[in-house]
Amino acid sequence: RKEVEQDPGPFNVPEGATVAFNCTYSNSASQSFFWYRQDCRKEPKLLMSVYSSGNEDGRFTAQLNRASQYISLLIRDSKLSDSATYLCVVTPPGGNKLVFGAGTILRVKS
Amino acid sequence: NAGVTQTPKFQVLKTGQSMTLQCAQDMNHEYMSWYRQDPGMGLRLIHYSVGAGITDQGEVPNGYNVSRSTTEDFPLRLLSAAPSQTSVYFCASRPRGGHYGYTFGSGTRLTVV
Repeated sequence: RKEVEQDPGPFNVPEGATVAFNCTYSNSASQSFFWYRQDCRKEPKLLMSVYSSGNEDGRFTAQLNRASQYISLLIRDSKLSDSATYLCVVTPPGGNKLVFGAGTILRVKS
Repeated sequence: NAGVTQTPKFQVLKTGQSMTLQCAQDMNHEYMSWYRQDPGMGLRLIHYSVGAGITDQGEVPNGYNVSRSTTEDFPLRLLSAAPSQTSVYFCASRPRGGHYGYTFGSGTRLTVV
């Protein structure tokens, strides 16, 4: 079983749609959780950290469920510029490295 | 403040050649890591460092060496390049402590022929 598993993509959605990505992780002692965004042929960029209390940044909402070992990302009112690969990322105990999911491709179409 | 700087951006090597991928950060970050990204496999950790003079192996360390003589620099050395090392290499850094995400460099695209 992979340490971090994500929804298979691609997700093809129209502009203005709401889309949700899910991710599960296998190590219950994992410490930190993130969503990264990666554009084609570019480096990953931190989108947001994920907390048990849930956190929101504009159109983006992230949620962590430690009991279920489940992370989610919700994007509301999708824009063309949201088209990218979204990477679920977990920090194992120790906190000094990242474990990446394989990523989910989002394509927003006009 | 340049962030994380990787050089070169592109490189073609012949099988058996050696080379060093450079990574430098100007944010005084203690943690630094090297990842490789291959199609369909996501990013995999090669080596990482939690401070000057301290390095450790990640998931796929074979064929690579690292050293960390300063806080700023974390070079990755390919000892004898193989076609299986054709990949995109990313260097990343973050501060110690807390729950910070890593900042990534723009990557080095390496082709081994």
